[in-house]
Amino acid sequence: DQQVKQNSPSLSVQEGRISILNCDYTNSMFDYFLWYKKYPAEGPTFLISISSIKDKNEDGRFTVFLNKSAKHLSLHIVPSQPGDSAVYFCAASHPVRKRLTGGGNKLTFGTGTQLKVEL
Amino acid sequence: SQTIHQWPATLVQPVGSPLSLECTVEGTSNPNLYWYRQAAGRGLQLLFYSVGIGQISSEVPQNLSASRPQDRQFILSSKKLLLSDSGFYLCAWSTGPTYTEAFFGQGTRLTVV
Repeated sequence: DQQVKQNSPSLSVQEGRISILNCDYTNSMFDYFLWYKKYPAEGPTFLISISSIKDKNEDGRFTVFLNKSAKHLSLHIVPSQPGDSAVYFCAASHPVRKRLTGGGNKLTFGTGTQLKVEL
Repeated sequence: SQTIHQWPATLVQPVGSPLSLECTVEGTSNPNLYWYRQAAGRGLQLLFYSVGIGQISSEVPQNLSASRPQDRQFILSSKKLLLSDSGFYLCAWSTGPTYTEAFFGQGTRLTVV
């Protein structure tokens, strides 16, 4: 049961244009969403996140939009640069109970979208 | 500052051999710890997560097990490897309760031959 889905395995855009990566989720318990970027043979690196109480978060060229009613989020990169070429994963977090401290979180990742920014 | 160490970086093991991958985190206490696998052409699949010593949850039935002998140490093991265990294994940590990102190690490329 894939609770976080990225239906586009790949995306190709021209340098300077906007890249839009999409992600859908099914679990209404998710309360925090994140985007990661991954290069081959490396661990993913965190890009940007958004709490479920917001609908937009912006950080430089990266903006994440959240539509809770549609259970959909997207990452916009503008302008796109060749160095943005990588696999992008969306992730969703929901709280997990900890015995002693009362809180933890569990991240579930999507299947990833390979972005290629062409010159 | 916090750092995460994962080793080895690459591993080639014969079918039926045991496995032990180790992950340690420095600079934080009581982290949430994760093991993920990225199989060829697939996304990141959560294998195990742990919110504390003695608390390990398995996400998918498989040939692997995980243990957390110390607060900042997470071990992925197998008694007998299968060909299908090949993949890129990633350890990650985060702090709770929520609203925080996870930080990943550099990964281990496991090839079962």
